[in-house]
Amino acid sequence: GDSVTQMEGPVTLSEEAFLTINCTYTATGYPSLFWYVQYPGEGLQLLLKATKADDKGSNKGFEATYRKETTSFHLEKGSVQVSDSAVYFCALSAISGDTGRRALTFGSGTRLQVQP
Amino acid sequence: DTGVSQDPRHKITKRGQNVTFRCDPISEHNRLYWYRQTLGQGPEFLTYFQNEAQLEKSRLLSDRFSAERPKGSFSTLEIQRTEQGDSAMYLCASSPTRGSGIEQFFGPGTRLTVL
Repeated sequence: GDSVTQMEGPVTLSEEAFLTINCTYTATGYPSLFWYVQYPGEGLQLLLKATKADDKGSNKGFEATYRKETTSFHLEKGSVQVSDSAVYFCALSAISGDTGRRALTFGSGTRLQVQP
Repeated sequence: DTGVSQDPRHKITKRGQNVTFRCDPISEHNRLYWYRQTLGQGPEFLTYFQNEAQLEKSRLLSDRFSAERPKGSFSTLEIQRTEQGDSAMYLCASSPTRGSGIEQFFGPGTRLTVL
C-alpha cells in the first residue's frame, strides 16, 4: 500500500537558519503530494502541494519539489522564524479503485522548534 | 468563516459509554473524510463519503464505529462501547468534487479521552 516516510523530530533551529525536512513516499501510479502544518492548538492546514513530477509547490517561503526519480518531496525554507514552530506532515493522495477516494496518507510528522 | 467545523472540540468519557461527534463540511463540498490521529502520529484514514453514500471504510473502523451523512450535508461518527484505545483526535475533512478535488480542508478535530 501507499506510505510516507519523513524524518523524525524534533528539529531544533535558530532563527534565520536553513530548514530541510526530508520526505519520501511509496505509491502506485502518480500521487499528488502535500505538506500540511499543524500549529500548536490548531487544526491541519495545507502548506503547499504538487500534482505531477518536477512541480514545485511554494507558500510562505517554504518550497518542495516533486521528484519522481527519487520518490521524494523534501520541504525547504531559506530562513526560518520563531513563528514557523509547528508540526509538519508530508502526505500523498492517490485515487483509490472505483470510489474516486482521494484519502490522504500521512507521514508521522516532524516537529520543528525555532529558537530566537 | 465557512470552514469545516467539528463538535464537540473535546470529549471525556468513561470506558463502555457511547459517544457521537459531528462534522459540518464546507457547504459546496461533496466529499467528506474522517481520520483518526493518535499522539505523535499522522492522521489515518477511517471512512469516506461522497454526498450521502459511504463509499469506503478502513480496516481501522471496527464494528463499534459507525458513520453517517444524511442528506449529504453534515456527518456524524459514533463510537459504541468506547475503549481506552479509542482515545485520539478525530479529524474531519472535506473536498470539492469539481476540478481535481485533491485538496482537503480539515476541521479543528474532536479530542476524545476515554478513562
